[in-house]
Amino acid sequence: GAVVSQHPSWVICKSGTSVKIECRSLDFQATTMFWYRQFPKQSLMLMATSNEGSKATYEQGVEKDKFLINHASLTLSTLTVTSAHPEDSSFYICSAEARSGTYEQYFGPGTRLTVT
Amino acid sequence: QKEVEQNSGPLSVPEGAIASLNCTYSDRGSQSFFWYRQYSGKSPELIMFIYSNGDKEDGRFTAQLNKASQYVSLLIRDSQPSDSATYLCAIPRAGSYQLTFGKGTKLSVIP
Repeated sequence: GAVVSQHPSWVICKSGTSVKIECRSLDFQATTMFWYRQFPKQSLMLMATSNEGSKATYEQGVEKDKFLINHASLTLSTLTVTSAHPEDSSFYICSAEARSGTYEQYFGPGTRLTVT
Repeated sequence: QKEVEQNSGPLSVPEGAIASLNCTYSDRGSQSFFWYRQYSGKSPELIMFIYSNGDKEDGRFTAQLNKASQYVSLLIRDSQPSDSATYLCAIPRAGSYQLTFGKGTKLSVIP
């Protein structure tokens, strides 16, 4: 149980284009999902908390107009990187809380984004 | 003091030995503690969680919690080369659903 998927697993896009990443909870419903970013050899950085049916909460320093998050259902959250630049190239990982209130987060396999 | 602190390592242990990974935290009110394993190039995987003082065992893994001293540790018995990874300690951020992660300890098990 507690399986989270992400799609795509990797993507290469040109500078200035937008990229959408999907995060799905496969065997449970997730009221809350989280989006992280990780640069090589660095620690996880929380970008935003995604709540089903409401606006996402962004961490300080994360541009909400650049990283659009939509949590339209209890099993799907999407992250859209708009007007991507090479410095947005990173490993984007989502997670979901399998049981509300337990803080147990299960991670998707991640999406490696390269912006050329 | 940072919220969650871990020794970055690398920690090298010979195959078959016990690997001991430590984590200290600053929020005395923390009630839940999590250990994640992250292989290079992969996403984190939840391996243990502990809520009560004392030890919790799961196979070769034992989590130890000491709330009075504000530390949580992870012991890996009979370490295998496949245990070589970065181990992340995480605790809930006060008043929220988010987890605060330590920077991780890189473990290398030498055959």
